[in-house]
Amino acid sequence: AAGVIQSPRHLIKEKRETATLKCYPIPRHDTVYWYQQGPGQDPQFLISFYEKMQSDKGSIPDRFSAQQFSDYHSELNMSSLELGDSALYFCASSLHGTATAGTYEQYFGPGTRLTVT
Amino acid sequence: AQKVTQAQTEISVVEKEDVTLDCVYETRDTTYYLFWYKQPPSGELVFLIRRNSFDEQNEISGRYSWNFQKSTSSFNFTITASQVVDSAVYFCALSENFGNEKLTFGTGTRLTIIP
Repeated sequence: AAGVIQSPRHLIKEKRETATLKCYPIPRHDTVYWYQQGPGQDPQFLISFYEKMQSDKGSIPDRFSAQQFSDYHSELNMSSLELGDSALYFCASSLHGTATAGTYEQYFGPGTRLTVT
Repeated sequence: AQKVTQAQTEISVVEKEDVTLDCVYETRDTTYYLFWYKQPPSGELVFLIRRNSFDEQNEISGRYSWNFQKSTSSFNFTITASQVVDSAVYFCALSENFGNEKLTFGTGTRLTIIP
């Protein structure tokens, strides 16, 4: 079965540079989530999109922005990178929840490991 | 605000032993969803189970079983006859009803199966 695709898998950037992470959800999934996982930590929610609109926002720095496109893929743009941005960035996708069906499970991509030097 | 607590930071057991991973949650919602994810050394997050707050029936899937008790706000995970391939970090997570589906994770339990 098709899974969530993330690219690139590894990225090395210097401080103050920019980075763009891409996410391609599972076919028919219309909701995308971004999470950040620091070393030895649990994943922290950054932002989510449904039908190209931002649906929720977590602890995402103002230096970061994201969007979802008409084909449902999403991009996370990170500017003025700092050493503390070094982390594993996960994208997850799911079907959109409804009042009757409730909340669906999220399937995660393999992650993009960002190293800022 | 929602919160998930996994008090066991690290557990080591010998292969073929049974092991239970604890998860305690807090939420003010009456409708919520609980999840378990596995993160092996390769780093990906693998979905294991989803349980809604209205379904307290225990679930078994092969060597895995889950015990959901609303009275104690717990959603524990048991691996029977553990195997080396079960070595991973296991995360318990919580989300609220649709419209607020973001996952709040616990800090994870690192499980090591000793051959």
